[in-house]
Amino acid sequence: GAVVSQHPSWVICKSGTSVKIECRSLDFQATTMFWYRQFPKQSLMLMATSNEGSKATYEQGVEKDKFLINHASLTLSTLTVTSAHPEDSSFYICSALNGLARFYGYTFGSGTRLTVV
Amino acid sequence: AQRVTQPEKLLSVFKGAPVELKCNYSYSGSPELFWYVQYSRQRLQLLLRHISRESIKGFTADLNKGETSFHLKKPFAQEEDSAMYYCALQGGSEKLVFGKGTKLTVNP
Repeated sequence: GAVVSQHPSWVICKSGTSVKIECRSLDFQATTMFWYRQFPKQSLMLMATSNEGSKATYEQGVEKDKFLINHASLTLSTLTVTSAHPEDSSFYICSALNGLARFYGYTFGSGTRLTVV
Repeated sequence: AQRVTQPEKLLSVFKGAPVELKCNYSYSGSPELFWYVQYSRQRLQLLLRHISRESIKGFTADLNKGETSFHLKKPFAQEEDSAMYYCALQGGSEKLVFGKGTKLTVNP
C-alpha cells in the first residue's frame, strides 16, 4: 500500500535555530500534502496544504513566515520551522493524498517530535 | 463550517463487550467521513470510510445523514483494539477535519 516516510522522527534544537522536516511519498505521486500539528492529548490541527509546484495554503492563525513549506516534487514536501522557540515544540505530522486515487484515503507519516530548548 | 465532534475522550470496555465510538459532524453539503486509528507508538492509519461500506477488523460505521452521525461500532471488543480513534470529515475541499479523538481501552 501507499507509504509516507517522514524524517526525522524526533529532533531537539536550540531556540532561534531552524529545523527542516521532510515528508516523502515512497510509492505514489502526491500532488497534495498536508501538515498537521498535534499537541499532547489533543487532535490534529491542520497547519497548511501543500500543492506540488505552487505556494502552500495556510490555515488561519498559522504564520507562513515561521512555517515554511516547500513542495518541489510530486514525492517530497518539506516543513521548515524557522527561528524556533519553545512554544513551537510539538508533534508534527504530514499526510499525502494520492493524486491518482483520491478515493483511497490519506496516508500519514509517522510524525516528528520537535523539542526546542 | 466543517466540524467533527467526538463527545467521549475516554472509553473503557471489557473484552468481548460491544463498543460504540460516537462521532457527529456539521457540514452543509455531502461529506466524506473516515475513521482513523492510532495504535500506541504507531502512525495514524485509515480504519474505514463510509463510501466503501466495508468492515475492517470487525468495525463498521454507518453514515446517518438525518442525525449527522458516523458512529463506529464493533460487537465484540478485543484487547488489541485499544488505541486512539479519530473521526474525520472531508468536505468540499481536500482538507480533512479531525475530531478530538477517543481513547479506547479494552480491559481483559
